[in-house]
Amino acid sequence: GAGVSQSPSNKVTEKGKDVELRCDPISGHTALYWYRQSLGQGLEFLIYFQGNSAPDKSGLPSDRFSAERTGGSVSTLTIQRTQQEDSAVYLCASSLAGTSGGYRSEQYFGPGTRLTVT
Amino acid sequence: SQQGEEDPQALSIQEGENATMNCSYKTSINNLQWYRQNSGRGLVHLILIRSNEREKHSGRLRVTLDTSKKSSSLLITASRAADTASYFCATDYLTYYGNNRLAFGKGNQVVVIP
Repeated sequence: GAGVSQSPSNKVTEKGKDVELRCDPISGHTALYWYRQSLGQGLEFLIYFQGNSAPDKSGLPSDRFSAERTGGSVSTLTIQRTQQEDSAVYLCASSLAGTSGGYRSEQYFGPGTRLTVT
Repeated sequence: SQQGEEDPQALSIQEGENATMNCSYKTSINNLQWYRQNSGRGLVHLILIRSNEREKHSGRLRVTLDTSKKSSSLLITASRAADTASYFCATDYLTYYGNNRLAFGKGNQVVVIP
């Protein structure tokens, strides 16, 4: 079946501009996660959605970052007034459930959006 | 910090050899998962080991978990050139907000030389 998709795959933007990154999770997955990965680093958690609500947004680095999810499906991560330090690969993942451990917490990742702020 | 830490961080081996990576973590976990990443893009789930399990196998992969030492190892046997990738361990734990979160280590870069 279809996996997690993200768009665009690459985005180059000028400092100060706003960008929107999109994630389409696997159908039926109630949990959705956004991560950021800087060059050569591990994944930095940004935000978790359960359905359309975000009970854990503790990883968002500043108020320039926001995200929403509609219809329990598609999610959009918005970065306002981008800065050069925002340059990274933004990864989206979904899982069957976000509140129970075990196999239901296995996350399926999209290919990521590589954001470059010039 | 919950974050896992892999050791060693870079490994270069000949095809056919075994590759072993270690991961340590700091607090209680529900399970520990290993992921693979090719070319800095999406991660692929490899294997999950629950906190009450000590060893698990999946094909050429063997994972061990020692909760008393808060450590795990991933062994890839009979490595192939296609195994060249970065490998991340991730600890699954329950957050203050009631959701499960995966905390990822910085990854092990493995290069398998044909």
